[in-house]
Amino acid sequence: NAGVTQTPKFRILKIGQSMTLQCTQDMNHNYMYWYRQDPGMGLKLIYYSVGAGITDKGEVPNGYNVSRSTTEDFPLRLELAAPSQTSVYFCASSPRGQGGDEQFFGPGTRLTVL
Amino acid sequence: SQELEQSPQSLIVQEGKNLTINCTSSKTLYGLYWYKQKYGEGLIFLMMLQKGGEEKSHEKITAKLDEKKQQSSLHITASQPSHAGIYLCGADRSNTGNQFYFGTGTSLTVIP
Repeated sequence: NAGVTQTPKFRILKIGQSMTLQCTQDMNHNYMYWYRQDPGMGLKLIYYSVGAGITDKGEVPNGYNVSRSTTEDFPLRLELAAPSQTSVYFCASSPRGQGGDEQFFGPGTRLTVL
Repeated sequence: SQELEQSPQSLIVQEGKNLTINCTSSKTLYGLYWYKQKYGEGLIFLMMLQKGGEEKSHEKITAKLDEKKQQSSLHITASQPSHAGIYLCGADRSNTGNQFYFGTGTSLTVIP
């Protein structure tokens, strides 16, 4: 199993550009998550999904969109990139999403918006 | 305000020394997780605590959740350079997996 994979690893965007961060898991997990990690701020939940076709907002959803058409894929879309979206983005998945369920993390995407 | 407060923010220890990292919540937690992050990489799961008073160990790392389920400590015995990284506590406040929060992290440096 590859686990959780993310592409790209690095990206530089200009203000106003758009892009999609890809996330794929091969563990047949129902729950998937997108986090952003800013220096000294820990991780904050952007969006999550409890299964194909179902998504919901996390703590910091503004400026992002997600979709979940398959169990495996959970792409994160930035429509109008802003400098405040400069961050490291992590995708994660878990089998059931219940208390006591470990989350498996991808290696992250480092995004810079100039 | 931060949901989960970690202390200290950073720690520099000599190899072989013991150390403790704390994670405190103002609310009761359904599950408390400890992760380790190597610089520039993703998070690696260390252990999870659910029951008040629960204590778990893995190699030289021990984590404990207090009786009220609002504070956890992570203790490393005889630290090694391989222990260096950022330690993050995470917690599920809802028991449904959709209210997951992380602490700000503790950066650990181990000097050989």
